[in-house]
Amino acid sequence: SQTIHQWPATLVQPVGSPLSLECTVEGTSNPNLYWYRQAAGRGLQLLFYSIGIDQISSEVPQNLSASRPQDRQFILSSKKLLLSDSGFYLCAWSVGLRGRSTDTQYFGPGTRLTVL
Amino acid sequence: SQQGEEDPQALSIQEGENATMNCSYKTSINNLQWYRQNSGRGLVHLILIRSNEREKHSGRLRVTLDTSKKSSSLLITASRAADTASYFCATRGRSNYQLIWGAGTKLIIKP
Repeated sequence: SQTIHQWPATLVQPVGSPLSLECTVEGTSNPNLYWYRQAAGRGLQLLFYSIGIDQISSEVPQNLSASRPQDRQFILSSKKLLLSDSGFYLCAWSVGLRGRSTDTQYFGPGTRLTVL
Repeated sequence: SQQGEEDPQALSIQEGENATMNCSYKTSINNLQWYRQNSGRGLVHLILIRSNEREKHSGRLRVTLDTSKKSSSLLITASRAADTASYFCATRGRSNYQLIWGAGTKLIIKP
């Protein structure tokens, strides 16, 4: 069966420090991968999605970046965190079918980031 | 504005009662999904209803879709304390990859 891992679970970082959040998926190949941010009490904002290694699309301009060094690994990074980067970050995957996506997304447990 | 807007924003009911949440959207969709999120956790997929379906059941869940009104409802029957969570609807966006999410309905089941 497929599983998705995210770490760390919680993170407190000072403003201006770098960030690296990691997400890995097991039990599937060629998944589509997603990074979302969720503000408190709000819906999900899509940050990045990837349909393959080194194929990453950004949905919103920001000081975050994403990389996919391996098929089932997705990394969210920042060189210098801002206060506004605080939030709950969720990684998700969906079955990738020849460049398209099935609709159901499967989520990791999330990372709670607090920037002070 | 964003597709997939749920109402009410919050709902508090007694255990055993039925809970109904609604979702409205603005453009044509291929399908609509409902997800549950327990506090501080990831989202869990509950059910997907396609645009050519009007009603779908899964256990205690019943989802309806009215494409003429661009709305969907999620009914949870015989609610339990474990149903306490936030519920989100999501619709397909511009690309094949992007789901558009509402802000969610926070459901509290009182024992």
